[in-house]
Amino acid sequence: SQTIHQWPATLVQPVGSPLSLECTVEGTSNPNLYWYRQAAGRGLQLLFYSVGIGQISSEVPQNLSASRPQDRQFILSSKKLLLSDSGFYLCAWGSLSEQYFGPGTRLTVT
Amino acid sequence: SQQGEEDPQALSIQEGENATMNCSYKTSINNLQWYRQNSGRGLVHLILIRSNEREKHSGRLRVTLDTSKKSSSLLITASRAADTASYFCATALDSNYQLIWGAGTKLIIKP
Repeated sequence: SQTIHQWPATLVQPVGSPLSLECTVEGTSNPNLYWYRQAAGRGLQLLFYSVGIGQISSEVPQNLSASRPQDRQFILSSKKLLLSDSGFYLCAWGSLSEQYFGPGTRLTVT
Repeated sequence: SQQGEEDPQALSIQEGENATMNCSYKTSINNLQWYRQNSGRGLVHLILIRSNEREKHSGRLRVTLDTSKKSSSLLITASRAADTASYFCATALDSNYQLIWGAGTKLIIKP
């Protein structure tokens, strides 16, 4: 069966520090991968999606970037965090018919 | 901008009662999905309804779709404490590659 992992679960980082969140998927090959951000009490905002290794599409201009170095690995990064980067980050795989989500990372930028 | 808008924003009912939440959207869709999110967790896919379908059932869940009104409803029958969660609708458009998410309905089931 397919499993999706995200880590860390929680993260507190100072403004201006770098960020690296990792997501890995097991049990499927060549998945479509997604990074979402969820503000408190709100819906999901798509940040990046990828249909294959090295293929990244960005939806929201910001100081975040994403990479897909391996088929089932998706990384969200930032060189310098802003206060506005705080939120709940979710990785998902799937399609426009169904998406499977990881447990999420709660990021607090202080 | 968010295509789906759920209402109510929050709903509190007694265990055993039925819970109904609604989702409205703005443009033509390919399908509409409902997801559940327990507090601080990832989302779980509940059910999908295609644009040419009007009603679907899955266990205690019943989803309807009215494309003329651009709206959908999710009914949870015989609610349980474990149904306490936030519920989101997401729409897939023919002309887009991403799901468009609503802001969610927070459902609280009182024992």
